[in-house]
Amino acid sequence: AQSVAQPEDQVNVAEGNPLTVKCTYSVSGNPYLFWYVQYPNRGLQFLLKYITGDNLVKGSYGFEAEFNKSQTSFHLKKPSALVSDSALYFCAGGDSGTYKYIFGTGTRLKVLA
Amino acid sequence: GAVVSQHPSWVICKSGTSVKIECRSLDFQATTMFWYRQFPKQSLMLMATSNEGSKATYEQGVEKDKFLINHASLTLSTLTVTSAHPEDSSFYICSANGAGGSIGYNEQFFGPGTRLTVL
Repeated sequence: AQSVAQPEDQVNVAEGNPLTVKCTYSVSGNPYLFWYVQYPNRGLQFLLKYITGDNLVKGSYGFEAEFNKSQTSFHLKKPSALVSDSALYFCAGGDSGTYKYIFGTGTRLKVLA
Repeated sequence: GAVVSQHPSWVICKSGTSVKIECRSLDFQATTMFWYRQFPKQSLMLMATSNEGSKATYEQGVEKDKFLINHASLTLSTLTVTSAHPEDSSFYICSANGAGGSIGYNEQFFGPGTRLTVL
């Protein structure tokens, strides 16, 4: 069965420090992986995606993610966290056949001033 | 490009009434749209896949008679919550499947969501 896991319900980081939000996946075929951010009572905002190509993917707002096939991971990273980065982050894996997305359970990021 | 809108953004209704939510792809055609439901502090749950011109495919456990989906055109899908009850209160998000510039793969573009509160 295909799945996407976000092992941490919440991540706390001090402003200015690097942040990592973890995601591991188990999907058949070529993995298509996405990161989204959600602010309270808002929809999903696209951050970045991995379809093919370079393992290091750069996205919006200074975020990046590294696709690691051997570890089946796609962790989200940012070199220097901002208080405004505090939000709910979702990792998703796409099924190349049905185009359905499998969402992780979400990780709440809290950046402390 | 690739903008998806939802209307209304929020709605409050009385128990027993029906509510219709629209999902539109504004600048592209989407043969497939998806409807999700999100409970507070939880992840998105896929409810159904909506294909233009055909019946929607519902996920296991989703009542098709309760959540009516119509995908009448390549830019519009609607979700109607029939005989709504307080337990139907939730955040409903749609997405439209379109070419995202990545060869060989279409990706989903998400609407801003609709907050439904049933009194």
